[in-house]
Amino acid sequence: GAVVSQHPSWVICKSGTSVKIECRSLDFQATTMFWYRQFPKQSLMLMATSNEGSKATYEQGVEKDKFLINHASLTLSTLTVTSAHPEDSSFYICSASHGTSQETQYFGPGTRLLVL
Amino acid sequence: GENVEQHPSTLSVQEGDSAVIKCTYSDSASNYFPWYKQELGKRPQLIIDIRSNVGEKKDQRIAVTLNKTAKHFSLHITETQPEDSAVYFCAASWGAGNQFYFGTGTSLTVIP
Repeated sequence: GAVVSQHPSWVICKSGTSVKIECRSLDFQATTMFWYRQFPKQSLMLMATSNEGSKATYEQGVEKDKFLINHASLTLSTLTVTSAHPEDSSFYICSASHGTSQETQYFGPGTRLLVL
Repeated sequence: GENVEQHPSTLSVQEGDSAVIKCTYSDSASNYFPWYKQELGKRPQLIIDIRSNVGEKKDQRIAVTLNKTAKHFSLHITETQPEDSAVYFCAASWGAGNQFYFGTGTSLTVIP
């Protein structure tokens, strides 16, 4: 149980285009989902916390208009990188938790984004 | 906010030896402390966790200890094997639904 999927696993795009990444909880309902960014050999940097049916809470320094997050259902959250630039190239990972009664976060496999 | 420090950043041990990774946290309100293992290019996998009402937890070769007074917790891996080689992250959280504050990671290499 507690499986989280992410799609796509990798994507290459041109500067100026938008990229959408999906995060799904496959066998549980995820009240809360988290989006992270990870640079090589570094820790996970939280970008935003997403609760189903409400607006995401962004961490300081993360542009909400650039990284659009939607959590439309209890099993799906999406991250859209708008007008992508090469500096947006990174490894993006989502995680999901069962809800207010469960502390554990289960991570998706990550999406590697390369912006040319 | 919470600040989690993790040491060492790299650790090499001989196969069969023990490995210990230590983390400290700053916020006494944190009450949940998970440990994740991440292999290169893969997702972090939960390997063990501990809650603030427990001082120690063990799962086969892996154990975690928590000292609330000193605000530190440690991961202990005994009888290390080459497949234990990975990056390990500790984290602290205020509990369900709240964000994790991650440590900076420890790259563990087990030498056959």
